[in-house]
Amino acid sequence: AQSVTQLDSQVPVFEEAPVELRCNYSSSVSVYLFWYVQYPNQGLQLLLKYLSGSTLVKGINGFEAEFNKSQTSFHLRKPSVHISDTAEYFCAVTLSGYALNFGKGTSLLVTP
Amino acid sequence: ETGVTQSPTHLIKTRGQQVTLRCSSQSGHNTVSWYQQALGQGPQFIFQYYREEENGRGNFPPRFSGLQFPNYSSELNVNALELDDSALYLCASSLTGTASAFGSGTRLTVV
Repeated sequence: AQSVTQLDSQVPVFEEAPVELRCNYSSSVSVYLFWYVQYPNQGLQLLLKYLSGSTLVKGINGFEAEFNKSQTSFHLRKPSVHISDTAEYFCAVTLSGYALNFGKGTSLLVTP
Repeated sequence: ETGVTQSPTHLIKTRGQQVTLRCSSQSGHNTVSWYQQALGQGPQFIFQYYREEENGRGNFPPRFSGLQFPNYSSELNVNALELDDSALYLCASSLTGTASAFGSGTRLTVV
């Protein structure tokens, strides 16, 4: 079965600094990969997804992620963060195309 | 375009009781998925409904059941509630299989 490991539970960063949230997956076959964001007391919002094709995926709010098959990684990046990016970020993988397996999440805290 | 709406937003139940959570899909979406998110954890897939039929299920016992109606709205029913069922329950809808729009969830507390 496929699974996801988010390597950092918390990532503190200063406003306007770059950030990378790490995600590794395990699967012996091709998978689809996703990043979601969850603001306090809200549901999940899809940031971006990798289904096939170009390994560099651009999403909303200035985020992007790179699929690396050899390293089984799908790290999320943003060149300059804002206070409003403070939230919980979840990496997810699916083999079936419908049942998402989520990581435990990374809490991004942006401070002035 | 209306998003995914869930009701109620909060709920407190006693161990052993039954609960029904409701979800209205985003306009145009015909697939509904339900997830359970325990505190401090990522969401876990419960099941998915497509055209009123369950077409996928995660590792949850049969006391978790669901329905999807002709208008694509959905219900999640949990019988014989246990303390560990306390969680945020998220509904997601999509046109294809993978959840694309999530509701804000129902926070269930079992005491």
